[in-house]
Amino acid sequence: GQQVMQIPQYQHVQEGEDFTTYCNSSTTLSNIQWYKQRPGGHPVFLIQLVKSGEVKKQKRLTFQFGEAKKNSSLHITATQTTDVGTYFCAGQIAGANSKLTFGKGITLSVRP
Amino acid sequence: NAGVMQNPRHLVRRRGQEARLRCSPMKGHSHVYWYRQLPEEGLKFMVYLQKENIIDESGMPKERFSAEFPKEGPSILRIQQVVRGDSAAYFCASSPLSGETQYFGPGTRLLVL
Repeated sequence: GQQVMQIPQYQHVQEGEDFTTYCNSSTTLSNIQWYKQRPGGHPVFLIQLVKSGEVKKQKRLTFQFGEAKKNSSLHITATQTTDVGTYFCAGQIAGANSKLTFGKGITLSVRP
Repeated sequence: NAGVMQNPRHLVRRRGQEARLRCSPMKGHSHVYWYRQLPEEGLKFMVYLQKENIIDESGMPKERFSAEFPKEGPSILRIQQVVRGDSAAYFCASSPLSGETQYFGPGTRLLVL
């Protein structure tokens, strides 16, 4: 079945450092979505990427969809303590009624 | 516009009891998804429903678990004869159409004693 992988599962950075994480799919995706979950909270939608090579920015966050539509990256510039949480990518393959497959997420901690 | 609502937020059950988790999707959303999240784990897809139909239940355990989304009222995830391994956070999400952004509810934290 379809697999979405996020490695590593944890990353610790010093406040102010940049942070990049990657998401890889075993199959070509129609779109990829990123969610953030704060400790004790629920996943909150961040962004959706649809086109090959697409890049989208949200303030200090930059999201990219790979040319082959099988991987994606999230880059955070100058991390802040408010960036703490678990970032999930979720991929969807083409087809009606296709579900999202979530990666295990990467939990980011930021040292002040 | 109220978000996705789930209740109860916390549920404690003893082994062998039944757990009933409710999810009211966002207004205008007819697609509902249930996920299970174990501590330190990602989100595991369980079931995808539209009104009165189960579209994909490939992530649902074959026994003890069932889900429904009736024409009127919330979606229900039902776990019969709970065991300790069922302890987890259960999240419901909804979307207006298949493949669109999913909006998550606050989750139900189930603890089985």
